[in-house]
Amino acid sequence: DTEVTQTPKHLVMGMTNKKSLKCEQHMGHRAMYWYKQKAKKPPELMFVYSYEKLSINESVPSRFSPECPNSSLLNLHLHALQPEDSALYLCASRQGAGSTEAFFGQGTRLTVV
Amino acid sequence: GENVEQHPSTLSVQEGDSAVIKCTYSDSASNYFPWYKQELGKRPQLIIDIRSNVGEKKDQRIAVTLNKTAKHFSLHITETQPEDSAVYFCAAHRDDKIIFGKGTRLHILP
Repeated sequence: DTEVTQTPKHLVMGMTNKKSLKCEQHMGHRAMYWYKQKAKKPPELMFVYSYEKLSINESVPSRFSPECPNSSLLNLHLHALQPEDSALYLCASRQGAGSTEAFFGQGTRLTVV
Repeated sequence: GENVEQHPSTLSVQEGDSAVIKCTYSDSASNYFPWYKQELGKRPQLIIDIRSNVGEKKDQRIAVTLNKTAKHFSLHITETQPEDSAVYFCAAHRDDKIIFGKGTRLHILP
């Protein structure tokens, strides 16, 4: 299984809602990532977990809250988002330190209304 | 922190011709340089990568070159085909951090 699975594929939420994005991989990868991608822009790094611990937070606003319940799962909890947070949210995983390939999920298309 | 510059932002080539996309990076400790192809609405897909101890790598019509001294790496696509039309991103890895270039929109003209 070389898949990174993200759910849901699409999400529409209001600015007062609380929702969560989910990412799952069963490749035994120790690093997991959240990226945000706006239209016609590159993926922008948000968070990195290494061995289930948050290792990188790229100064992301607190309305985005990551969680890594176990080595296979990564969540992104969303609360009080703004319309400008509408984007494609990509999860990725990677086996280990050094030069190894990152595998991307298909993304969650988030629309904040 | 790492900064990756990518050029050009848009590239149009005639079908059958070659395309070259260039990237530079700032952090000399970066050690792995993948190239991704992203079609509209889809995830980035790795097409080729190169490690810092290698100068060149080729896979059929696609090749990547790396100049560590200049902190420069390039993607070469030969005999371009319509299905090569997409956005291409270079990236640089340092430890757990993966930073992307701004992307190149490649158009293959009939």
